[in-house]
Amino acid sequence: GENVEQHPSTLSVQEGDSAVIKCTYSDSASNYFPWYKQELGKGPQLIIDIRSNVGEKKDQRIAVTLNKTAKHFSLHITETQPEDSAVYFCAASGLDGSYGKLTFGQGTILTVHP
Amino acid sequence: EAQVTQNPRYLITVTGKKLTVTCSQNMNHEYMSWYRQDPGLGLRQIYYSMNVEVTDKGDVPEGYKVSRKEKRNFPLILESPSPNQTSLYFCASRRDGASNQPQHFGDGTRLSIL
Repeated sequence: GENVEQHPSTLSVQEGDSAVIKCTYSDSASNYFPWYKQELGKGPQLIIDIRSNVGEKKDQRIAVTLNKTAKHFSLHITETQPEDSAVYFCAASGLDGSYGKLTFGQGTILTVHP
Repeated sequence: EAQVTQNPRYLITVTGKKLTVTCSQNMNHEYMSWYRQDPGLGLRQIYYSMNVEVTDKGDVPEGYKVSRKEKRNFPLILESPSPNQTSLYFCASRRDGASNQPQHFGDGTRLSIL
């Protein structure tokens, strides 16, 4: 089955700096890669996603890049703000039999210091 | 407002006392799933359902049951809870079983089994 590794487990940055979180996956058939943000007491919220036919996607201060050959993808947050502090999860989705299964990374605790 | 609703949000109970965590979605989604979140392990899938009366095991199904009698509801049942089921649980739904569909999460249920 799919295996997703996420690094780092914790990340501390100063407000205004950039933050990068990296994930690798094992199944070359995976074709969908979402990123979720989880705030305290809340469920994971989708913040950006990328499909395997695209190398990069950007939404304001957030961008995701995908390298299918190397089987890794990354989340980039620019001009970080204290409200970006949360747990971030990457995930990879591919067909498991007849349905799409989402496999998550271990999570990254991002702290943005004012 | 499109949402996934879980109840209860918090529960402390004792070993062996049957409990049910309810999950309901208002998006007419076919696919629903339950996850547990443990520190350092990310989110792991317990059970999923492709549609009414169609359920199957995820990666960590031992000690859990589910049912899908109506499209909107997908309860998680712990027949005889044990301390190792103390965890944070999330219900999720998406439009269908395709692998590249965004998944929507509830706000979680924190279970403590004493």
